[in-house]
Amino acid sequence: DTEVTQTPKHLVMGMTNKKSLKCEQHMGHRAMYWYKQKAKKPPELMFVYSYEKLSINESVPSRFSPECPNSSLLNLHLHALQPEDSALYLCASSQGGRINTDTQYFGPGTRLTVL
Amino acid sequence: AQKITQTQPGMFVQEKEAVTLDCTYDTSDPSYGLFWYKQPSSGEMIFLIYQGSYDQQNATEGRYSLNFQKARKSANLVISASQLGDSAMYFCAMREGNFNKFYFGSGTKLNVKP
Repeated sequence: DTEVTQTPKHLVMGMTNKKSLKCEQHMGHRAMYWYKQKAKKPPELMFVYSYEKLSINESVPSRFSPECPNSSLLNLHLHALQPEDSALYLCASSQGGRINTDTQYFGPGTRLTVL
Repeated sequence: AQKITQTQPGMFVQEKEAVTLDCTYDTSDPSYGLFWYKQPSSGEMIFLIYQGSYDQQNATEGRYSLNFQKARKSANLVISASQLGDSAMYFCAMREGNFNKFYFGSGTKLNVKP
């Protein structure tokens, strides 16, 4: 089973709203990732959690706040977003081992629109 | 320098024919992994195939094969017997050593014509 689930599939929010994106995997993976993807562009890494600790933050604005409550769950809390933050947000997970064979598996994504 | 380069923004292929999508990479780490993903218009990134830097043979997965030329630092994806469902964006990616970071190329949009 290589399934990563994400909710919601679509989200429309105003610039003053607070919302959260959720990601879940049951593959026993210990690394989880958030990516932002604009249309016709590659995914841009935002955050990496390794063994439930934040290991990479790619200088993401503080209006994006990640959280890893346990090894299966990853949240992305959104607050005071800008219209340019509208994008597809992808979650991924991998075993997290220190080996180059570590493969990322992606969820279906959340399409976010900020009005 | 870019870690992953995909020089073909778009490609067309006739149904049932083979197609090669190009990918070159740049790393000085002797240990790395190369990955190909397919992204249909629905948005999900689907893992296709993996090649390790120490692998002696080219990877194959069904209709997908990876033409790995280490000296040229290239990892081209070959899709045999193209199907209409292969129309999608294809991304090449690399992971270096034991670092939990994957580098993606700019992608190639493949269109399969009936």
